[in-house]
Amino acid sequence: NAGVTQTPKFQVLKTGQSMTLQCAQDMNHNSMYWYRQDPGMGLRLIYYSASEGTTDKGEVPNGYNVSRLNKREFSLRLESAAPSQTSVYFCASVRGAREYEQYFGPGTRLTVT
Amino acid sequence: LAKTTQPISMDSYEGQEVNITCSHNNIATNDYITWYQQFPSQGPRFIIQGYKTKVTNEVASLFIPADRKSSTLSLPRVSLSDTAVYYCLVGDKGGYSTLTFGKGTMLLVSP
Repeated sequence: NAGVTQTPKFQVLKTGQSMTLQCAQDMNHNSMYWYRQDPGMGLRLIYYSASEGTTDKGEVPNGYNVSRLNKREFSLRLESAAPSQTSVYFCASVRGAREYEQYFGPGTRLTVT
Repeated sequence: LAKTTQPISMDSYEGQEVNITCSHNNIATNDYITWYQQFPSQGPRFIIQGYKTKVTNEVASLFIPADRKSSTLSLPRVSLSDTAVYYCLVGDKGGYSTLTFGKGTMLLVSP
């Protein structure tokens, strides 16, 4: 099993450009999450999906949209990138909504200039 | 949402036991305590979870006193590869959306 995979690993955007971060898991997990981590900080939840077909806002959703494409895939879209969105983005999945053992992907390092 | 407080950093030497304490004074009855480990340039990794008393697995032990206002992660005989950031999280198992990572404790293990 590959676990949680994320693409791309690195990305540089100009202010105003858009992009989609992809995340996929092969563990048949129900819930998926998107976090961002700024230098020297903990992770902050952007959006999550408790199950296929549902999405909800986390702590810092502004400037982002998500799509739970199917049970395996959960994408994060930046419609108009801003320098404040420069960060490392982590996707995670968990077997069920009442579980705390989250499995994280390797992250996407995004720089917005 | 229970707030957690942990030391910003700790230093240790190889072979020593390391104890990282986390304070969570306003922990709720339904809250569980979970610890994650994060290496540089990687996503966090689940270490251990508990509700009360003591939990042990192959990686660590978690000690929770009766009042549950704090918890201690114990790493036996650390090695250089245990150098990482350790996060203490508190939350209702049913409230997955409120899982909040603070700044964690940066553990540096030296030879």
